[in-house]
Parts: sequence; C-alpha cells; structure tokens
Amino acid sequence: GQNIDQPTEMTATEGAIVQINCTYQTSGFNGLFWYQQHAGEAPTFLSYNVLDGLEEKGRFSSFLSRSKGYSYLLLKELQMKDSASYLCAVMDSNYQLIWGAGTKLIIKP
Amino acid sequence: GAVVSQHPSRVICKSGTSVKIECRSLDFQATTMFWYRQFPKQSLMLMATSNEGSKATYEQGVEKDKFLINHASLTLSTLTVTSAHPEDSSFYICSARDGGVAYNEQFFGPGTRLTVL
Repeated sequence: GQNIDQPTEMTATEGAIVQINCTYQTSGFNGLFWYQQHAGEAPTFLSYNVLDGLEEKGRFSSFLSRSKGYSYLLLKELQMKDSASYLCAVMDSNYQLIWGAGTKLIIKP
Repeated sequence: GAVVSQHPSRVICKSGTSVKIECRSLDFQATTMFWYRQFPKQSLMLMATSNEGSKATYEQGVEKDKFLINHASLTLSTLTVTSAHPEDSSFYICSARDGGVAYNEQFFGPGTRLTVL
C-alpha cells in the first residue's frame, strides 16, 4: 500500500529552527510537495522536490532523498504566523497526490 | 498567479436537502480538477478527479450518486451533495491543475464548510 508518515505535532520557539520530517512508500514517484494549511483554510503551496537535494526558498527549505524515501521541511527564524499544519504529499506513478496526515506546528513566544 | 475560487464558503442546510458547491479557476484553464474532503484534525481525502468534458473518477468508498460532479467547462467544476446528512458535514476543498502537464502543482480553492443539521 501507499503510505506517508510525518509527526502529528511539533512545538518550537519563536526565532528558532524546526525540521519536519516526512517518509514515504508509494507506487512510483513523480515529486514531493509541501503545503502549509492554517486552521479553517485551504492548503497553500510551499515547495516541490523531484530531484535529490536541498531547495531553499527564503526562510523555508525542503530536502529530498529518493533512495531513502525521505524528505524534510526546514523552517528558520520562526514567526508566530508559522503556526499551522504542514502537509507532505507525494505524486505517484499515476500523477495522483498521496497526502500525509499533516504535522501541526505550534510556535511559542 | 493561479487563483481558484469556491462558492459558497460556508453553508448550513437541513438534512435531506442537496447542496451545490462551485469551483472556478479564475485565470487559467483547468483541464483537471480535484475534490477533497477534510474532517477536523485529519488530512485531505481525495473524493474524485474530474476532467473537463468527461465523467469524474471517484475514489474507493465515495458514492458517485451521492456526490455528483460536473466539469462542464475548463474553468468550472461543481460538486453536488445530494440528500445531505449530518455525517456529510465537513470541509470540502477543490483544487485545479493548470493545463495538461501532470506534474504541475495543484492550486487550491479556499474551501467550503458544510454543516448539515
């Protein structure tokens, strides 16, 4: 079966760095997405990785290792507005997105 | 950027009635649209994939006669929840993919919160 695993909840301090991990087992691989979702709102796109390595975009970076079926989202200089759920999603061989359950990130002052 | 709108944003209805939710791509042509449902504190669950001009493909366990999907144009897809019941109360989100490139990101609408009394 297809499976995406990410921690349910994480807590971090404002101004700090946090890494949210995602491991996956899917039928084929056509890229991995990270989305941010605030409570009661739809997801918004953060990053897309299809090749191994680190993609940096401002305070957010995303890493992919296809051989390990592993990705992480790194958030630097955390701000209170970063409190949200972070969803990992893998596009399988049918170009279908397989979603993780999301990681709720709580930022404390 | 690519914008997807959804209407209504919030709806409350009585049990047994039908509710229609519209999803529109405002500045691009969406050959493929997706309908998701999300229950509180759970991840997105794909209900169906619709391609313009053809019948929607429903995920296992989703009743196609209950959740009617129409993708009549390249910018509009509708989801009708027929004979709604309280267990259908959920957050319904649509997304759209720009053009025919399969690996393009999906752009999400703002969601519709349905409450069935």
